[in-house]
Amino acid sequence: QQQVKQSPQSLIVQKGGISIINCAYENTAFDYFPWYQQFPGKGPALLIAIRPDVSEKKEGRFTISFNKSAKQFSLHIMDSQPGDSATYFCAANRDSGAGSYQLTFGKGTKLSVIP
Amino acid sequence: DAMVIQNPRYQVTQFGKPVTLSCSQTLNHNVMYWYQQKSSQAPKLLFHYYDKDFNNEADTPDNFQSRRPNTSFCFLDIRSPGLGDAAMYLCATSRGQGVTGELFFGEGSRLTVL
Repeated sequence: QQQVKQSPQSLIVQKGGISIINCAYENTAFDYFPWYQQFPGKGPALLIAIRPDVSEKKEGRFTISFNKSAKQFSLHIMDSQPGDSATYFCAANRDSGAGSYQLTFGKGTKLSVIP
Repeated sequence: DAMVIQNPRYQVTQFGKPVTLSCSQTLNHNVMYWYQQKSSQAPKLLFHYYDKDFNNEADTPDNFQSRRPNTSFCFLDIRSPGLGDAAMYLCATSRGQGVTGELFFGEGSRLTVL
């Protein structure tokens, strides 16, 4: 099963608030879980990523929480800013053993941070 | 400076008229990918090259082909575009085995089929 389920589809947060986006997967062969940020008219850009041997990773205002037993991971954006308004995609990689990264993306969450 | 460059940014074609999208990279990465992204949907992997080795996803239609003449360039050919092929096509690159799994995306080529 290759699916990655992402929720919510859209999210509105006030400036300074916490944005939380959740993802769930079924394939236990996934070994790498990145989050990508995409602004309108642009390609996605890596925001933060985690491997399943750790439960949390923090980079600035962005934190990934990972629950291996529940097969869930989430993105927390602290002190959300209007400049964070974008679409966020979670993804999971299955290791082909050949060195390439074959990401399966969630359907995306459109985040709007209002002043 | 842009590291993954896609051309054209916007392409309009007629139903059934072949189209080629190009991607070039200055990162010297081993792997180049093509993704299809339809409106408000997740990017979907079509295929990728690891150096010269081509890897097709099982559900990629035969209508989609790719060429990688050298490390820097990769092309997506759509032989007979249908209305359902209208989408943003994203090229991405990554280093090969043993290093970070980050994918570097271009800004995409938006295809319209009339």
